[in-house]
Amino acid sequence: QVQLQESGPGLVKPSQTLSLTCTVSTDSLSSGLYFWNWIRQPAGKGLEWIGRIYSTGSTNYNPSLKSRVTISIDASDQFSLNLRSVTAADTAVYYCARGQVSWMNVWGPGTAVTVAS
Amino acid sequence: YDLIQPPSVSVSPGQTASITCSGDELGEKYVSWFQQKPGQPPVLIIYQDRKRPSGIPERFSGSNSGSAATLTISGTQAMDEGDYYCQAWDATTAIFGGGTRLSVL
Repeated sequence: QVQLQESGPGLVKPSQTLSLTCTVSTDSLSSGLYFWNWIRQPAGKGLEWIGRIYSTGSTNYNPSLKSRVTISIDASDQFSLNLRSVTAADTAVYYCARGQVSWMNVWGPGTAVTVAS
Repeated sequence: YDLIQPPSVSVSPGQTASITCSGDELGEKYVSWFQQKPGQPPVLIIYQDRKRPSGIPERFSGSNSGSAATLTISGTQAMDEGDYYCQAWDATTAIFGGGTRLSVL
């Protein structure tokens, strides 16, 4: 069973760029069967989808974040999230997840990111 | 596009719990449901309205018609306590409902 693991700094300063990596236990990023997502969840609040990337490099982003987000595939087993010009409102647990067809069925454990000076 | 869920639902052990998710013409879209327990990532429990992933108990079922999808938990157990989220796609954007806290009292 594939596993996903998020990694990156736990603390980011306001106005800087939040950068996270998701490592996939198999080199399935190249498979056209799946798409790869980033989702976040502020403490005590609900889930917010950030965006996704396909093996082709094609991306879709949440319109509310689109101007600040880039998702890219970095290696056969890693994809990344860059969120620019962060504020305290970007403090959240960030999850990566694998999707197929219309569902997201494999999630990483999540990584907590705090935006503070 | 918004998906609306009740903030909380309570159920007695052994009874049936129903959690609704409302959205404009939601019945025209596929809905997924996730269960989340404190400190853990969400777990997919229903996809394509009514399908259960391997390992998800049969007491979880889903339906979707008109403007509402429903997650039904039959014979609710204490272990089913947690937050439940519906999710659908609005074109190429994934939308999550606000979540429902299920209490088994």
